[in-house]
Amino acid sequence: ETGVTQTPRHLVMGMTNKKSLKCEQHLGHNAMYWYKQSAKKPLELMFVYNFKEQTENNSVPSRFSPECPNSSHLFLHLHTLQPEDSALYLCASSQLTSGRNEQYFGPGTRLTVT
Amino acid sequence: RKEVEQDPGPFNVPEGATVAFNCTYSNSASQSFFWYRQDCRKEPKLLMSVYSSGNEDGRFTAQLNRASQYISLLIRDSKLSDSATYLCVVNNPTGGFKTIFGAGTRLFVKA
Repeated sequence: ETGVTQTPRHLVMGMTNKKSLKCEQHLGHNAMYWYKQSAKKPLELMFVYNFKEQTENNSVPSRFSPECPNSSHLFLHLHTLQPEDSALYLCASSQLTSGRNEQYFGPGTRLTVT
Repeated sequence: RKEVEQDPGPFNVPEGATVAFNCTYSNSASQSFFWYRQDCRKEPKLLMSVYSSGNEDGRFTAQLNRASQYISLLIRDSKLSDSATYLCVVNNPTGGFKTIFGAGTRLFVKA
């Protein structure tokens, strides 16, 4: 399935590095999301973009910076991360309609901060 | 109280068994509900939406009880391939949608 793609699939970075995660959706959806999944914890919604406008920012530290240049692409820029930021970062997309919000996920980027 | 709560399990069942999971949610204004399946080290995949009237897809049946604020998932004739973590998902209206995932219920189906 290639509806939502993410690159890279794996990333190891030091605390002083700057890197970016990329997500692309091929489903014609109008909303995109970033989630964080840490070991043994529920998925945590980080950011929501609706028609390229950010509509949710769930108290995410400023070392995570999202960018949505168009409704098909979403980036997560990372800088000066901490070891506790090591997690699986998932991108999702959906077509927002009244009352429903079925989200489709990419395969994720497994991030390790050393 | 957590916004979405699930029994973490694990549920260990033999092939062919029927198993049911419940999920409770705290916000009575919640608008839409879903079950997702997540395999180990993979992304969540939409299993089924949950409608007020209940819905069925093959061996899977989902129910919504708004009065008691819970949703359920019933799996009949369990297969080995049903082994996974099942995530309950609730959307709350906040101007857009706020999506909340439960921590998941682990299911192991054994031969």
